[in-house]
Amino acid sequence: DGGITQSPKYLFRKEGQNVTLSCEQNLNHDAMYWYRQDPGQGLRLIYYSQIVNDFQKGDIAEGYSVSREKKESFPLTVTSAQKNPTAFYLCASSISYRDTIYFGEGSWLTVV
Amino acid sequence: GQQLNQSPQSMFIQEGEDVSMNCTSSSIFNTWLWYKQDPGEGPVLLIALYKAGELTSNGRLTAQFGITRKDSFLNISASIPSDVGIYFCAGRSGGGADGLTFGKGTHLIIQP
Repeated sequence: DGGITQSPKYLFRKEGQNVTLSCEQNLNHDAMYWYRQDPGQGLRLIYYSQIVNDFQKGDIAEGYSVSREKKESFPLTVTSAQKNPTAFYLCASSISYRDTIYFGEGSWLTVV
Repeated sequence: GQQLNQSPQSMFIQEGEDVSMNCTSSSIFNTWLWYKQDPGEGPVLLIALYKAGELTSNGRLTAQFGITRKDSFLNISASIPSDVGIYFCAGRSGGGADGLTFGKGTHLIIQP
């Protein structure tokens, strides 16, 4: 099936650790995105990539890093510099940056 | 940054009732999108609107792109239990990949 796959679904992080969330799409989309969602809030953009080997900071990039070495993959690393990382993380993609955005099923990150 | 005001924040309705929610902005948008999110899942696209005044239906859902380009509404007719969830509006103002702004969501609860 075509779609956007995020893994893991649930992840626990200890204080001071870096963790990486995986996002893979087989839709042949050029653009990919990472959003953060907190309870009762809308979605906030962390990073986006319009094309392979290129990415840009979104509204809340501090404490996060990404890479886009392959068209189908856009992993997000939550670093120890992110002081409040507990949230629901959503990966998304679109044919191009002008087109409609489609979402993966999300990953829950909890700091323990 | 730009903000979308989505209302109501939550709705408690009886099964079979019609539902209406809307989003307004102080800025002009070129695209309006409506998503539904089930608990613990990623948002799913319901309707995309690309032209001012456009009225689009998807089954029991109808959405309109406001003529001023600063608002949009979503109606759901004859609600059923599976309509429960959080509905998000999103607007795109320009061509940039970071141009998609999300509302904070309308939480729809259906009472038996």
